Amino acid sequence: AQTVTQSQPEMSVQEAETVTLSCTYDTSESDYYLFWYKQPPSRQMILVIRQEAYKQQNATENRFSVNFQKAAKSFSLKISDSQLGDAAMYFCAYRSAFTGANSKLTFGKGITLSVRP
Amino acid sequence: GAVVSQHPSRVICKSGTSVKIECRSLDFQATTMFWYRQFPKQSLMLMATSNEGSKATYEQGVEKDKFLINHASLTLSTLTVTSAHPEDSSFYICSAPTLRRGSSYNEQFFGPGTRLTVL
Repeated sequence: AQTVTQSQPEMSVQEAETVTLSCTYDTSESDYYLFWYKQPPSRQMILVIRQEAYKQQNATENRFSVNFQKAAKSFSLKISDSQLGDAAMYFCAYRSAFTGANSKLTFGKGITLSVRP
Repeated sequence: GAVVSQHPSRVICKSGTSVKIECRSLDFQATTMFWYRQFPKQSLMLMATSNEGSKATYEQGVEKDKFLINHASLTLSTLTVTSAHPEDSSFYICSAPTLRRGSSYNEQFFGPGTRLTVL
């Protein structure tokens, strides 16, 4: 079974600064997808960024980028130029690439990010 | 596009009653939907996978008779909490996979959630 670990329960960042959220995972599969989801106070889950395991290049989406280290099974999220609207709970998630397009997500425990003005 | 709705957004019920929560894919068809439970400041816990036209697949430890799932059509899945008790109070979220517009990737789209309070 796959597991996703987020060991930091909370982090804080100054507005306009950069913050990195950590995530590690464990799997015996060779192909999979990794995700970072954001859950603001509204509790609506929002996809931040996605990484395909077979791609060596790290994914980027505007101010959000990942550091994907497949051998180390590490998948961290970097948020640059942090904004007040980035304050939320962030979840790292894993999805197998072998069990079909409708396969389930495995989530980490999440990290609460606060942004100081 | 790719909107998932849930109804109701909040519900308060008395202990011992049953509550039905609806999950709808508004602009796409979903043969599969997922139901999660989330406690405050905690992660999403997958309860079951809802399959259109067949029985739901429940995760280990989830009581099938307590959390009834019916995937009646390609756009609707329902979760019924039977004989609800205060410990069933939680935030329930559904999701459904579909292709994001302009993408070849199948992505999970989440509903806004339903807050259940059992008195």
